[in-house]
Parts: sequence; structure tokens; C-alpha cells
Amino acid sequence: GAVVSQHPSWVICKSGTSVKIECRSLDFQATTMFWYRQFPKQSLMLMATSNEGSKATYEQGVEKDKFLINHASLTLSTLTVTSAHPEDSSFYICSARDWRPAGETQYFGPGTRLLVL
Amino acid sequence: RKEVEQDPGPFNVPEGATVAFNCTYSNSASQSFFWYRQDCRKEPKLLMSVYSSGNEDGRFTAQLNRASQYISLLIRDSKLSDSATYLCVVNIGNAGNMLTFGGGTRLMVKP
Repeated sequence: GAVVSQHPSWVICKSGTSVKIECRSLDFQATTMFWYRQFPKQSLMLMATSNEGSKATYEQGVEKDKFLINHASLTLSTLTVTSAHPEDSSFYICSARDWRPAGETQYFGPGTRLLVL
Repeated sequence: RKEVEQDPGPFNVPEGATVAFNCTYSNSASQSFFWYRQDCRKEPKLLMSVYSSGNEDGRFTAQLNRASQYISLLIRDSKLSDSATYLCVVNIGNAGNMLTFGGGTRLMVKP
């Protein structure tokens, strides 16, 4: 099946630093990728929809200047958490949409755990 | 009211038991429905899609009731390896094709 990778899988950083997370679709082209965040014992919450070659669409309450998204190619989207603070510590998961099967399927990356000290 | 609601559990069942999870969704325009499984500290993985006619995959049976906006998942002959959180997921088919996740139901299968 389709594979989505994320890098890094773990990040520990000091408060105030910026962290970049990469999401790659390895064997298919993804015009649309999604970024989710999951806090402990909570469900996944969509942060933004990343569209190749255009600006991302952010969900209500998500600061676009704090969570920068770039989707410059059909296989790569990046999420940069700028000036990270402890409350940004979370599990960040991307997914990519694959149109190839009948219908549409979203595949999830393995996630990135961010801990801001 | 949450868009997708699930009983968080946990459901503690012995091996071999049959267990059922329910899920309700609020948007009547929802077009597609899924059950995902999420293991601790891992990403969600698609377990099965849910069709109006109901569908079965081995020990797993999913059903959809559009009139009641209700989705169910039945697991027969539970295995220890079934222990996980089961996420009810709905796609309202908007331009972004966003998946909306329920809070998940935690299942613990014990020997």
C-alpha cells in the first residue's frame, strides 16, 4: 500500500526555537496533504489542509503565522512550528490523499512527537 | 455537540468475547465513513470503510444507519492484539475532503 513518511519522529527543543517537520508521500503523488495534532488522550484535530502549489487552508483557531506550511512539490509538505512553546508539545501527524484506488484513501504518516522544554 | 461522538471506554473484555462500538455523527451531509485503529503512540490506520449495506471483514463487521446518523463496529472472537483505540471517522465530502475524527473508544482485551 501507499506509504507516507515523516521526519523527524521525535523532537525535543528549547522554548523559542523553530521546528520543521517533513511529510513525504513515498510512492504516489499527493496534491493534498493534511496536518493533524493530537494531545494525550484526545482525538486527532485537523490543523490545516496543505495544497500543492498554493496556500494552506487553516482550521479555525490555528495560527497560520505560527504553523507555517509549505507544499512545494507533489510528494513533500512541511510544517514549521515557529517559536515553539511548551503548550505546542504534541503529536503531529500528516496524511496524504491518494486518488489511485477506486474512490479516495488517506494514508497517515507515523507522526512526530514534539516536546518543547 | 461534537461532530463525531464515541463512548471513550475503556471496554475491558476477555479474549474470545464479542464487543460492539457505536458512533454518532451530527452532519447529515456526511458522505463516507470509516473505522480507524490507533495503537498507543502510533498513527491511525484504516481498519475498514463503512457502507450503507453493511460490510464484514473477517471478525469485524461495520454498519451504517444514515437515518439515525449512527455507525457501529462489531468485533467477534476478540484477540489480545485487538487492544487499541478505535476511531470513528467521517468525511463530509467538502472541497477539502476533510476527515473528522471521533474521540476514539479504547478496547482492552484481557487473557
